[in-house]
Amino acid sequence: RKEVEQDPGPFNVPEGATVAFNCTYSNSASQSFFWYRQDCRKEPKLLMSVYSSGNEDGRFTAQLNRASQYISLLIRDSKLSDSATYLCVVNKANSGYALNFGKGTSLLVTP
Amino acid sequence: DGGITQSPKYLFRKEGQNVTLSCEQNLNHDAMYWYRQDPGQGLRLIYYSQIVNDFQKGDIAEGYSVSREKKESFPLTVTSAQKNPTAFYLCASSAQGYSGNTIYFGEGSWLTVV
Repeated sequence: RKEVEQDPGPFNVPEGATVAFNCTYSNSASQSFFWYRQDCRKEPKLLMSVYSSGNEDGRFTAQLNRASQYISLLIRDSKLSDSATYLCVVNKANSGYALNFGKGTSLLVTP
Repeated sequence: DGGITQSPKYLFRKEGQNVTLSCEQNLNHDAMYWYRQDPGQGLRLIYYSQIVNDFQKGDIAEGYSVSREKKESFPLTVTSAQKNPTAFYLCASSAQGYSGNTIYFGEGSWLTVV
């Protein structure tokens, strides 16, 4: 089992739609969880951290289910500018603060 | 402005050559990392360093070497032993203190073997 698994997509949605991405991780000892956004041929940038109680940042909501080792990202009212690849990220156990990255889920928001 | 600077942005290497990718940060971060990304793939950890003069192998260290002589600098050498070096290389850094620290990336270096 891969350490972080995501559906690669692509997800093609119209503007204004709500879209959800899921991610599972294999190491139950993981403590830190993030969603990063990566535009084509650019570096990843932090979108949001994911907290146990769930958290929201504007149109973005992240959820964590430790029992199922599952993380989700919900994007409401999709904008054209949301088109990107979304990376699920989990800390690597016993590797300092290094992180494991999923392969990413591709989102395309269309007019 | 604070940030992470990688150079060069684009590099072409002949087979059998060693090349060094530069990474400098002025964020006063203790930890630095090198990741590699292949098309359609996730980031894979090459090396990381939590403190000056110390570094550890990541998941794909073979064919690579690093040094950490200064807090600000973490250069990566891609040696001729790396069989498939063409990739996008990303340097990153994070503050120490707790495992939830965010890591920040440089803009990346594109290495192509010709």
